Amino acid sequence: EIVLTQSPGTLSLSPGERATLSCRASQSVSISYLAWYQQKPGQAPRLLIYGASSRATGIPDRFSGSGSGTDFTLTISRLEPEDFAVYYCQQYGSSLYSFGQGTKLEIK
Amino acid sequence: QVQLVQSGAEVKKPGASVTVSCKASGYTFTNYYMHWVRQAPGQGLEWMGIINPNGGSTTYAQKFQGRVTMTRDTSTSTVYMELSSLTSEDTAIYYCARDIPHDYWGQGTLVTVSS
Repeated sequence: EIVLTQSPGTLSLSPGERATLSCRASQSVSISYLAWYQQKPGQAPRLLIYGASSRATGIPDRFSGSGSGTDFTLTISRLEPEDFAVYYCQQYGSSLYSFGQGTKLEIK
Repeated sequence: QVQLVQSGAEVKKPGASVTVSCKASGYTFTNYYMHWVRQAPGQGLEWMGIINPNGGSTTYAQKFQGRVTMTRDTSTSTVYMELSSLTSEDTAIYYCARDIPHDYWGQGTLVTVSS
């Protein structure tokens, strides 16, 4: 099973700043089958990025994903108030689809 | 529009079983796999398993093998997740989620295990 480790655990930033979230896999994720989700309190997660770098339908272009192999990054170019949430990565390159433990993005 | 509507909250005693349902609409049910993901209070997401509505084949995370059963009813476009031998560690919100990556999610079902 591929283990995903996200860092940092908590990221404190202000609106307008740039956020960089990391997701590292214990082994290579095939064909960059890596997704990012956003979850707000009391809500189900929402798909942001798939295939490591493709934005899901309706996702603003301030969200971008990059990386390959074992190292992946989610970047939010300019934080809006509604972006403060928990973010999870998930790999789907193997038949057992694991999540990272999450990064909480909080307002500084 | 695609909708996944789950059954309501459950309270169970340790050792019991629980079944959560997820009714799909707005798309061809048999064209997309369905996954189950759970989230313990204040914790992260945990992938539990997958069912192919076209045929009913399943794959479960090792952690849940022997305790989880996923089934489907194509006549009602509904998938079911049964978890047995419940302990307090199974207290969580259970989500169904369509396809991989998970493009649509149910609203979640809170299962509370308490004596």
